[in-house]
Amino acid sequence: QKEVEQNSGPLSVPEGAIASLNCTYSDRVSQSFFWYRQYSGKSPELIMSIYSNGDKEDGRFTAQLNKASQYVSLLIRDSQPSDSATYLCAVKWQAGTALIFGKGTTLSVSS
Amino acid sequence: DAGVIQSPRHEVTEMGQEVTLRCKPISGHNSLFWYRQTMMRGLELLIYFNNNVPIDDSGMPEDRFSAKMPNASFSTLKIQPSEPRDSAVYFCASSFKRGGSYNEQFFGPGTRLTVL
Repeated sequence: QKEVEQNSGPLSVPEGAIASLNCTYSDRVSQSFFWYRQYSGKSPELIMSIYSNGDKEDGRFTAQLNKASQYVSLLIRDSQPSDSATYLCAVKWQAGTALIFGKGTTLSVSS
Repeated sequence: DAGVIQSPRHEVTEMGQEVTLRCKPISGHNSLFWYRQTMMRGLELLIYFNNNVPIDDSGMPEDRFSAKMPNASFSTLKIQPSEPRDSAVYFCASSFKRGGSYNEQFFGPGTRLTVL
């Protein structure tokens, strides 16, 4: 059974710090990886996608992928209280299939 | 542009009643996904359609659940009869499938279902 694992948290960081969110997945042939942010009572929204090993940066967000270790992470630099949310890791096993989501990590940024 | 539209936003019903959730995907999208979210199980894929055809319904919990997509702009998820354990937030998402890959999924606001 394909699984996506995340630490549920909460992860607490002070404003301005770097928040590091981690995700592991069970199937080595996974192709695509996504990070969604979900505010309480709202729907998930995509913030990052990554398809190849290495880092991908978008503003304050950096996604890191290591397929050999089956590990994907999200770094949030200069964390803001508005970043407080649940972050969902999603994995697509192969082309044409739907996403499998982890249960999410709750991030709390204190001012 | 209108995003994914879901109705109703909230539904409270009694055990044994039929519940129908509705979704209108983003215009031009050809793939539609139904998810259920609970604290215990997280976000679970129930079923997804490509070009109105169900591709994978292995996530549908049991025969009480059924989903249809009669045309490109409308889908329903029906629970009959409903049970208290069906209480959850149900999300619909849509995307555009190009070649073998689905592009970004856009989620609707969700329907919060409570079965008493």
